[in-house]
Amino acid sequence: KQEVTQIPAALSVPEGENLVLNCSFTDSAIYNLQWFRQDPGKGLTSLLLIQSSQREQTSGRLNASLDKSSGRSTLYIAASQPGDSATYLCAVLTNDYKLSFGAGTTVTVRA
Amino acid sequence: EAQVTQNPRYLITVTGKKLTVTCSQNMNHEYMSWYRQDPGLGLRQIYYSMNVEVTDKGDVPEGYKVSRKEKRNFPLILESPSPNQTSLYFCASRQDRGYLGYTFGSGTRLTVV
Repeated sequence: KQEVTQIPAALSVPEGENLVLNCSFTDSAIYNLQWFRQDPGKGLTSLLLIQSSQREQTSGRLNASLDKSSGRSTLYIAASQPGDSATYLCAVLTNDYKLSFGAGTTVTVRA
Repeated sequence: EAQVTQNPRYLITVTGKKLTVTCSQNMNHEYMSWYRQDPGLGLRQIYYSMNVEVTDKGDVPEGYKVSRKEKRNFPLILESPSPNQTSLYFCASRQDRGYLGYTFGSGTRLTVV
C-alpha cells in the first residue's frame, strides 16, 4: 500500500522567504503526482501536476520537482506572501490508478 | 468553466434522517469518487466509479451508498446518518486513467447531531 508522508507538518515563515515543502512516497511505481492547496474548510485547488516521466513543473512562483527513484517530491514557493498561507497536500497516483494523499503541510506566512 | 459542483456546501442533520449530497461534473470525465476528510486522518476514499453503472468501494464505504446513472452525476447517499459521519466531504473527477490529474469540488461540511 502506498504511504505518503509530508514533512514538516507545519511551517511558519516571514514574508519574502522561500518555502520548501517535502513529500515522500514508499512505492515508486507511480503514474503522476499532484500538489494541491487547501484553505481552511475549503476545497482542493490543483497547483501542479508532474507526470512520472518528468523531473519538474513550474507555474509562476511555484516549482515542483520529482525524483521517482528515491520516492520524493519537493514544492518550492519563491518569495512567499501572506496569501500563500494554506495547507498544501501532495497526492500520488499509483500505476493501479489509486490516489493516495499525504497529511499536508500547513503554512503560515507572517506579514 | 471546467468544474466539479457539490451541493449543499453546509448541512446539519439529525441522526437517522436520510440525506443525499449531489455531485456533478461538466468535463465528461469517466471517473468520479467521494472522499471524506477528518482531522488527523487526512483524506480517505469512500466510493468511486469508473463509468456509468460501475461503482466500487473505497477505503471507508460503511454507512454510505452511491449511484452512477449518468456520466456527469455521482450522488452520495447516507441512508441513516450517525454522528461519526460528521466530516468534510469532497467529490472528485478525472479523465480516464488520470493523466490530466484530478479536479475536486468545493466540499460539503456535514454535521450529524
